[in-house]
Amino acid sequence: AQKVTQAQTEISVVEKEDVTLDCVYETRDTTYYLFWYKQPPSGELVFLIRRNSFDEQNEISGRYSWNFQKSTSSFNFTITASQVVDSAVYFCALRLNSGGSNYKLTFGKGTLLTVNP
Amino acid sequence: NAGVTQTPKFRVLKTGQSMTLLCAQDMNHEYMYWYRQDPGMGLRLIHYSVGEGTTAKGEVPDGYNVSRLKKQNFLLGLESAAPSQTSVYFCASSFQGRRVGNEQFFGPGTRLTVL
Repeated sequence: AQKVTQAQTEISVVEKEDVTLDCVYETRDTTYYLFWYKQPPSGELVFLIRRNSFDEQNEISGRYSWNFQKSTSSFNFTITASQVVDSAVYFCALRLNSGGSNYKLTFGKGTLLTVNP
Repeated sequence: NAGVTQTPKFRVLKTGQSMTLLCAQDMNHEYMYWYRQDPGMGLRLIHYSVGEGTTAKGEVPDGYNVSRLKKQNFLLGLESAAPSQTSVYFCASSFQGRRVGNEQFFGPGTRLTVL
C-alpha cells in the first residue's frame, strides 16, 4: 500500500526566509505521480505541481522549487523569500499508474506554514 | 470555465436528517471524487466515479451514497446524518488516470455540521 508522510506538522518563518517542506512517499510501483497542493485560509485546494516517476529533474517556478529524489523517496518543496501570502496548509500526494489504482490520490496529512511579517 | 463547483457551501443538519451535496464540473473530466477533510486526518476518499453511470467505494464510504447520472455531475447523499459526519467535503475531478494531465482539480468545499 502506498503512503505519504509529511513529518512537519507546522512551520513558522519570518517573511523573506527560505523554507523547505518535506515529503516522503512509499510505494512498490515503479510508475507513479507526485503532486503538491496548497490550501490557503480560504479553504480551497490549489494544484501546484505534478511530477511523474521517470522525471527526476528539479523544477523551479518563480519562488517555488521542487526537489524530487527517487533514491530517498522524497519530493520536497522549497519556497524562496517567503511572503505572508504563502501562509497555507501544503499537501503532498501520490498517485499510482497501475490499472486498479490509478484513480487513488493518497495525501499526506499536510504542513501548516505560517509566514509572519 | 467555472471548473469544479459545489452546492451548498455551508449546511447545518440535525441528527437523522438527509441531504444531498451537488458537484458539477465543466472540464469534460471522466473521473470524479468525493473527499472529506477532518483536522489531523488530511483528505480521505469517500467515493469516486470513473465514468457516467459508475461509482465505487473509497476509504470511508459508510453512511454515504453517490450517483453519477451525467458526466458533469456527481452527487453525494447522506441518508441519515450523524455527528461523526461533521466535516468539510470536497469534490474533485480529473482526466482518467493514465493521461498525462491527470491531476485532480478541487471544488471550493462544503462545510457540513451535524448537530
